[in-house]
Amino acid sequence: EVQLVESGGGLVQPGGSLSLRLSCAASGFTFSSYWMHWVRQAPGKGLLWVSRINSDGSRTDYADSVKGRFTISRDNAKNTLYLQMNSLRAEDTAVYFCARDYREMALDYWGQGTLVTVSS
Amino acid sequence: DIQMTQSPSTLSASVGDRVTITCRASQSISRWLAWYQQKPGKAPKLLIYKASTLESGVPSRFSGSGSGTEFTLTISSLQPDDFATYYCQQCYSPWTFGQGTNVEIK
Repeated sequence: EVQLVESGGGLVQPGGSLSLRLSCAASGFTFSSYWMHWVRQAPGKGLLWVSRINSDGSRTDYADSVKGRFTISRDNAKNTLYLQMNSLRAEDTAVYFCARDYREMALDYWGQGTLVTVSS
Repeated sequence: DIQMTQSPSTLSASVGDRVTITCRASQSISRWLAWYQQKPGKAPKLLIYKASTLESGVPSRFSGSGSGTEFTLTISSLQPDDFATYYCQQCYSPWTFGQGTNVEIK
């Protein structure tokens, strides 16, 4: 059974560290064979695609709204996907989902999401 | 970036109704379009990819059509489990979602 489990979310307060690293632990499939994505959803809002990474980590893409601040990476030995988020802003407050790419045509499996809150 | 516009934003319907949601792309995306269903507090669920291919396990009352810039998701006979929010997503470059269509009980 394919499982994706996100962790690392939490409250980030202005004046403190404005960085957070999210993790997504994958199981039930050959992680190293798949592109992976991060998608976020602000409270009460729609889905926003954030970033993707290819199977060996050599190619990454980002939405304009996070480019230069967020870094996607992966550790295929640990079956884990990461999202390093720096210079966080209030507008980054959202549930962050990791998702598996299906042949660059869709996202076929999703985690349950982890909430990131940037607020005083 | 390619913008995706869904209509309507909200749709009120009854069980048994035929429902159609439209998604328009700001430029041609060929057939690189997927549809998802999301219920409150849950992750999205893939329904259709490549504009019209039904994901395994998805009921056949769901269908997708279109190419280029205009696409539709149709539910042939709305069931109680179908009341949810639906999103289109273009997988051309870079990936973007529509703003969502909330299908609510009439």
